[in-house]
Amino acid sequence: GQQLNQSPQSMFIQEGEDVSMNCTSSSIFNTWLWYKQDPGEGPVLLIALYKAGELTSNGRLTAQFGITRKDSFLNISASIPSDVGIYFCAGSGTYKYIFGTGTRLKVLA
Amino acid sequence: GAGVSQSPSNKVTEKGKDVELRCDPISGHTALYWYRQSLGQGLEFLIYFQGNSAPDKSGLPSDRFSAERTGGSVSTLTIQRTQQEDSAVYLCASSFPRVAKNIQYFGAGTRLSVL
Repeated sequence: GQQLNQSPQSMFIQEGEDVSMNCTSSSIFNTWLWYKQDPGEGPVLLIALYKAGELTSNGRLTAQFGITRKDSFLNISASIPSDVGIYFCAGSGTYKYIFGTGTRLKVLA
Repeated sequence: GAGVSQSPSNKVTEKGKDVELRCDPISGHTALYWYRQSLGQGLEFLIYFQGNSAPDKSGLPSDRFSAERTGGSVSTLTIQRTQQEDSAVYLCASSFPRVAKNIQYFGAGTRLSVL
């Protein structure tokens, strides 16, 4: 099935560092969502974006809806060990969401 | 319930057998989605139910896969004559489009292993 291009695929960082990941699409979306998935669990919503250019924060997380409506990024500031997991973006034009391939984050204490 | 509930959490089956996976959405959510997540991959859309409308089955990979949603609540995903490539985590999500801008809430998934 169709998937978004999400990068990087994986990253190892030191505790305290900032992290940035992004998603790009060939299609225009009306909504971007960012999820985090821990092992053995379902994805949990982090941030929802509904307007082009929108910048939204949730604690140490900040996400933006790209002006072209074809991309989005997620930043995590001052990473901590519990940030480890897989981060997914998801874009939607109507009811159907297309998910990115995920960014696997590992934080070294 | 408080969240999306899926059962069983793990299912091991032999090739060729049929399996049924269950999803109990958040109470009041009218939309329900099934996804498949293969090892190390993203989420692959399978099927979408919304109220009494005809489901969007465009993501089902073959006619061995089917799903139903009885009474607008609980859904069952059935895989007939399972194959080894069906091994994956099957995730269910529900949403309430008119209220929460169609934000999807996920269950913990069913991990299916076909031997």
